Formats: sequence, C-alpha cells, structure tokens
Amino acid sequence: DAGVIQSPRHEVTEMGQEVTLRCKPISGHNSLFWYRQTMMRGLELLIYFNNNVPIDDSGMPEDRFSAKMPNASFSTLKIQPSEPRDSAVYFCASVEGGASYEQYFGPGTRLTVT
Amino acid sequence: LAKTTQPISMDSYEGQEVNITCSHNNIATNDYITWYQQFPSQGPRFIIQGYKTKVTNEVASLFIPADRKSSTLSLPRVSLSDTAVYYCLVAGGNNRLAFGKGNQVVVIP
Repeated sequence: DAGVIQSPRHEVTEMGQEVTLRCKPISGHNSLFWYRQTMMRGLELLIYFNNNVPIDDSGMPEDRFSAKMPNASFSTLKIQPSEPRDSAVYFCASVEGGASYEQYFGPGTRLTVT
Repeated sequence: LAKTTQPISMDSYEGQEVNITCSHNNIATNDYITWYQQFPSQGPRFIIQGYKTKVTNEVASLFIPADRKSSTLSLPRVSLSDTAVYYCLVAGGNNRLAFGKGNQVVVIP
C-alpha cells in the first residue's frame, strides 16, 4: 500500500484565495483525521471522520474552514478565503478502526498564504 | 482528553539509552498511553502503546508504573537518526488524539 496520500505537497497562495487540500487514506481504513501543525501551537486536530461521517469538528478554527469526505477513499479540506495566519503544515491521517490509536499520517501539505 | 506534560527538549549522545518521561496525572481508567515520533518534514509515526507495566517492541520499550500517572519511553542505543520530536498521548475509547508540542530529542555524535 502507498500509505496516506496528500496533495499538493506545497501550496503558496495569496490572501483571499480559496485553497483545497486533498487526502487519500489507506484502503480499508475507516477513520480519517485532519491536523494542522505550527511552531506556536504544535499539532492540532481539526476534524475527524468515521465511516465518511464527520464526528468531531470542534477543532476547525472558523467558518472559513470546511472538510468533506464524499467516499471512503477521498477527503478534502477547504479554506475560503485564506489568510496569512492559516500558513501551516496540514496533515491527513487514517486509522483502521475500532479503538486503535495507531494513526498513519500522510507527508503533509505545506501551505503558505502571503 | 487527559493532558500530558513532557520536557520541551533533551540531548543525548549516540549509542546511549534515552529515557523520555511523560506525566499524565489525570489519566482515566479506560485511557491508553501512546507514543509517536516525528522526523523533520514528515508526519508523526506511531511507536508504541500500552496500558500498564511494560510493553516492548522492536523500536522501544514503554514503562508504566502501577498508578499510571506517568510513563517512560526508552530508546536503546540511539543513533543520529533517532533525532526527532517524541509525543506522549493518552486517549480513551475513541480515536481522538491530542498531540501538543512534544519533546525534541537531539542525538549528538
């Protein structure tokens, strides 16, 4: 298996633009997580899905952020409009299910908003 | 989610055993203790998980005392490639993990 796949790996955009980050979880994994990492705040959970259904989105910063999981093999995290403070590395992770804490992380998307 | 406390950073010499401590005074009965490792420019990677006493795998050992209010991750004979951030987490019956800032371990030649 190729592991968790994220695209793009790097994104540079101007303030006010829409940004869409993509994630393909490991096949057979039924939970998916979006995280954001910055030097100041560390690694923060934004939202997680179980069987394609959003379970906990309490970490989503504000209405500018939205996440979808239309099927078991694809998820998106959208920021509209983007702001410089959104600059961070965004990770996607998946887990096989049950009470498993062995999450498999993707390589991340480094987002820079100028 | 139970809060964990770790040192911000630590140094160790190559070839030594490294012990990384974590406090989790408010751990709940159904919480497990989990450790992750993150190299620069990569996502975190699961290392080990335990509930009590001692757990060992090919990468590390995890020591958990009877009161479970702390844990120690032990890395035997570290090499330069073990330089990374190490996260200690506790989590209960769901998959939600709170990573925080972790402990930066630097291995010195």
